[in-house]
Amino acid sequence: EAGVVQSPRYKIIEKKQPVAFWCNPISGHNTLYWYLQNLGQGPELLIRYENEEAVDDSQLPKDRFSAERLKGVDSTLKIQPAELGDSAVYLCASSRGSLGGNEQFFGPGTRLTVL
Amino acid sequence: GDSVTQMEGPVTLSEEAFLTINCTYTATGYPSLFWYVQYPGEGLQLLLKATKADDKGSNKGFEATYRKETTSFHLEKGSVQVSDSAVYFCALSEDSNYQLIWGAGTKLIIKP
Repeated sequence: EAGVVQSPRYKIIEKKQPVAFWCNPISGHNTLYWYLQNLGQGPELLIRYENEEAVDDSQLPKDRFSAERLKGVDSTLKIQPAELGDSAVYLCASSRGSLGGNEQFFGPGTRLTVL
Repeated sequence: GDSVTQMEGPVTLSEEAFLTINCTYTATGYPSLFWYVQYPGEGLQLLLKATKADDKGSNKGFEATYRKETTSFHLEKGSVQVSDSAVYFCALSEDSNYQLIWGAGTKLIIKP
């Protein structure tokens, strides 16, 4: 079974530019998560989807961050405009969620560098 | 609220040494407990899990037992290898919300 796919793996942009990350979860997983991970720290949840509904976006900085999961499968996380402090690894994870099981499977992440 | 506390790193051991990484938690309900591993430059991988008290999770020679009486889930391995060098994260999840609460991570360095 294919794992969680993320692209791109690396992105370097200048501050104030927009950037987008894409995630395709494991087939059949209805719950999708976006996390931010700073160097030497654990992941911080940004947003959680159940199918196409964002059920927890309390930690998403909505002034510059947005996310969508229109058909309840793949998802896009966008930052506009990016700031220097947004440099981090952005992780996507998926789980079966309400279908049974809270084990989360992670993608390789996108490492963002804002110059 | 729920929380996870891990021992601070880095933990430096020689190859074939015995490993323990401590993890304790606070939770209002009966969470599932997880250990994730992150190798250099890679994403997080589930190492093992336990879903109820006294369960023992095991994988790749690592073990952890869900101890409700001490609210702990310590990670152990009898003989570590250089390839075990990584950052290890302890986490819990309440079934009701499927959200993971993470520890800060413990960096493990194994020297040959």
